Amino acid sequence: EDKVVQSPLSLVVHEGDTVTLNCSYEVTNFRSLLWYKQEKKAPTFLFMLTSSGIEKKSGRLSSILDKKELFSILNITATQTGDSAIYLCAVEAYHKLSFGAGTTVTVRA
Amino acid sequence: NAGVTQTPKFQVLKTGQSMTLQCAQDMNHNSMYWYRQDPGMGLRLIYYSASEGTTDKGEVPNGYNVSRLNKREFSLRLESAAPSQTSVYFCASRSSGKQETQYFGPGTRLLVL
Repeated sequence: EDKVVQSPLSLVVHEGDTVTLNCSYEVTNFRSLLWYKQEKKAPTFLFMLTSSGIEKKSGRLSSILDKKELFSILNITATQTGDSAIYLCAVEAYHKLSFGAGTTVTVRA
Repeated sequence: NAGVTQTPKFQVLKTGQSMTLQCAQDMNHNSMYWYRQDPGMGLRLIYYSASEGTTDKGEVPNGYNVSRLNKREFSLRLESAAPSQTSVYFCASRSSGKQETQYFGPGTRLLVL
């Protein structure tokens, strides 16, 4: 059975802090790993990672994949209150996504 | 171009009642998915359809049925609702290209009393 584990489950930081979110996985026939941000509605896409060691960046967010150790990290630098959300990691195999439980990030002003 | 749409947005059912959640996408995507989301459990796949005319079970299919009516529409049916099916339901679609992500609908909040 495919398994995706995110840590920590939740964290509280202050504006300006840096946050690192972790995602480890065990899946058969890995195709890609995706990160989503979810506020009080549907998840919105952040990154898709398919190759090890290549960092993807979008503004203050960045992510990298390690296919040997089977994990990915999502970094958020200079956090803002608008970064408060649930961050979901998902791994794709056989046309399906398996999601982790998510990390709830709360950024306090 | 509305993306993925779902109806209804919110529904209250009594135990034993049936209902169908509707989902449609206008992006010409081949694959469509139904998930449920419960607190602390992320998104769990109920059923998916890799292409028109095919459907497959996901992680938590019990108590649900699906119909891929055509390429645009993928409905989820609860024949006899149970309180354990209280959840938020998301529909998603995806093209078959290698670098394509899934696009999610706005969700249906279902409460079963």
